[in-house]
Amino acid sequence: AQKVTQAQTEISVVEKEDVTLDCVYETRDTTYYLFWYKQPPSGELVFLIRRNSFDEQNEISGRYSWNFQKSTSSFNFTITASQVVDSAVYFCALSRSKNSGGSNYKLTFGKGTLLTVNP
Amino acid sequence: EPEVTQTPSHQVTQMGQEVILRCVPISNHLYFYWYRQILGQKVEFLVSFYNNEISEKSEIFDDQFSVERPDGSNFTLKIRSTKLEDSAMYFCASMKLHNSPLHFGNGTRLTVT
Repeated sequence: AQKVTQAQTEISVVEKEDVTLDCVYETRDTTYYLFWYKQPPSGELVFLIRRNSFDEQNEISGRYSWNFQKSTSSFNFTITASQVVDSAVYFCALSRSKNSGGSNYKLTFGKGTLLTVNP
Repeated sequence: EPEVTQTPSHQVTQMGQEVILRCVPISNHLYFYWYRQILGQKVEFLVSFYNNEISEKSEIFDDQFSVERPDGSNFTLKIRSTKLEDSAMYFCASMKLHNSPLHFGNGTRLTVT
């Protein structure tokens, strides 16, 4: 069975602070995919990143960066110099890969972290 | 950029009524999904659909739920006899190839009274 844990239910920061959202996952698969989605107050789910389990290189995209540590089963997300528009619920998610026998690639989501960035 | 379109954005229905939630996935996508998010909770998988049939369904997806792809563009979720606990945001999603990014629609908020 797959499981995603986002231990931080809510985080509140002041604009321009850096903030890290934690994600820990459990899977028996040797290959899998990890995702982050953003859900702003308007409710839609916005895709941020997909990471393959055999690619442990960290990734940076503008103010966003992701730290994938296979040894600790973590895929943490850092926002640098946070802005009010970053306020949202952030979901980490996990799916099987075809190499692990996955056939429908459904996502297993964590419970989400509500990030509030105050001006 | 092409996107997944869901209609209506908000539907209110009375308990026991049938509802149909509609989705138009991205046109060249092959895998289709419905997810549900009860207010304030996590997003949960309901059902996946590939090659014109259900490939997997969760324990939530019981006999009151059904999905259809009646033509080449629409993908619908029908709830036959709604219950209060069916109130949630329902997201449709589509994917082009296995493990390519999953694109979500903006959701339909279903309120059962």
